[in-house]
Amino acid sequence: DAGITQSPRHKVTETGTPVTLRCHQTENHRYMYWYRQDPGHGLRLIHYSYGVKDTDKGEVSDGYSVSRSKTEDFLLTLESATSSQTSVYFCAIKGPSGTYNEQFFGPGTRLTVL
Amino acid sequence: DAKTTQPNSMESNEEEPVHLPCNHSTISGTDYIHWYRQLPSQGPEYVIHGLTSNVNNRMASLAIAEDRKSSTLILHRATLRDAAVYYCILREPQQGAQKLVFGQGTRLTINP
Repeated sequence: DAGITQSPRHKVTETGTPVTLRCHQTENHRYMYWYRQDPGHGLRLIHYSYGVKDTDKGEVSDGYSVSRSKTEDFLLTLESATSSQTSVYFCAIKGPSGTYNEQFFGPGTRLTVL
Repeated sequence: DAKTTQPNSMESNEEEPVHLPCNHSTISGTDYIHWYRQLPSQGPEYVIHGLTSNVNNRMASLAIAEDRKSSTLILHRATLRDAAVYYCILREPQQGAQKLVFGQGTRLTINP
C-alpha cells in the first residue's frame, strides 16, 4: 500500500469554526490532491498540488484553501466551516509525469459540520 | 473532459465473470480509459487503464471497442471482495497533474 495517511480520520465541528485536515505521504511523490465525496456521488476535486508551494484549484474550490510547505504534507483548510462542507475528504498522491502513474488514495476523513 | 455513462448498479454471483460496461461516445483520439474502484468505507483504488488495445492485469481485463466509444471491465471470477463502486474515467494524456473526473460509477453487488 502507498504510504499515505490522513488526520484526523473523523471530526465534528460547528459552523463558523476553522478546520484543517492533513494529508501525509512517505512516497516522495510530486503530486497531491484533495477530493470530497458526498452521498451517492463520485469524488470531486477541490485543490491539487504539483510541488512544494505550487497549488491550483479544482472543480469545487470555493470555501477551501490549501498549503504545501514540504513534499510530504498537504493541508486542506476550511476557514469558516459550513454545513454544506459536511463530507468525506480524500487525499491522493501521484508520481511524476512521463509514463502513466495511477493516483493512490488515503483512507479518508469524515467531517461533520453542525 | 469527455463524459462517461455507466449503469447505476449491477449484481452478480460469486465465482462468475462480471462485465461492467462504460459508454464514452465523445472520447477523443488521445483519451485514456481508466477504471478505479472504491470498496466500502475506503478510498478509490486503481484497477486498470488502456488506450486502444485490450489490457489484462492481475485484477481485471479491459476490453475496448474498435471505435473506442465503449469499453468493458471484466472481472473473470468475482469474489465477495469485488463488491464495490466501479468508476470509468477518461483522461487526456497531458503532462502534469493528470486530474481525474469521477462520475457516479456502477455499484457492483456480489451474491454468495
